[in-house]
Amino acid sequence: AQSVTQPDIHITVSEGASLELRCNYSYGATPYLFWYVQSPGQGLQLLLKYFSGDTLVQGIKGFEAEFKRSQSSFNLRKPSVHWSDAAEYFCAVGALSGNTPLVFGKGTRLSVIA
Amino acid sequence: GAGVSQSPSNKVTEKGKDVELRCDPISGHTALYWYRQSLGQGLEFLIYFQGNSAPDKSGLPSDRFSAERTGGSVSTLTIQRTQQEDSAVYLCASSSIQDRARGTIYFGEGSWLTVV
Repeated sequence: AQSVTQPDIHITVSEGASLELRCNYSYGATPYLFWYVQSPGQGLQLLLKYFSGDTLVQGIKGFEAEFKRSQSSFNLRKPSVHWSDAAEYFCAVGALSGNTPLVFGKGTRLSVIA
Repeated sequence: GAGVSQSPSNKVTEKGKDVELRCDPISGHTALYWYRQSLGQGLEFLIYFQGNSAPDKSGLPSDRFSAERTGGSVSTLTIQRTQQEDSAVYLCASSSIQDRARGTIYFGEGSWLTVV
């Protein structure tokens, strides 16, 4: 069965510092991978996704993620964090057809300090 | 509006009561999902509707939980005999076939349920 692990429950970074949020997945077929962000009081917004091809994908708000099949990882990165990036981040895995729902990790809460 | 709409946004109920949560998906979206977000537990899949196919109910935690989707549009998630552990944010999402193929599903802002 597919699963997603986000090892870090809470991360605090200084504004302007770089960020990496970890995501490891388990999936029986070629994975399709996603990162979502949930800002306080708001719904989930898709940041970026990986289907195939270039393993480094660019998303909105300056985020990128790298798919590493050998490590079963899809870590999210940003070179310089802004205070507005404080939010909950969710990694997800799933197929793109059929009746397979997206499976989400438990999330990583990002705090940004001055 | 044009997004996924959920109601109520907040619900406080007494233990043992039944509750109904409503989801209005984006018009034309054939796929509808319910997830539960509990503190520290991330998003837990509950149920998935796709067109006229039988729903995937594999995520429902107990037989107290059920969901319907009438006319392929609005969905209602019902929790019977609520327990305190049911307290969570219940998120609805929808997508079209094309969106699904691009891996994009659209979430509502959720219904925050508190069982006291």
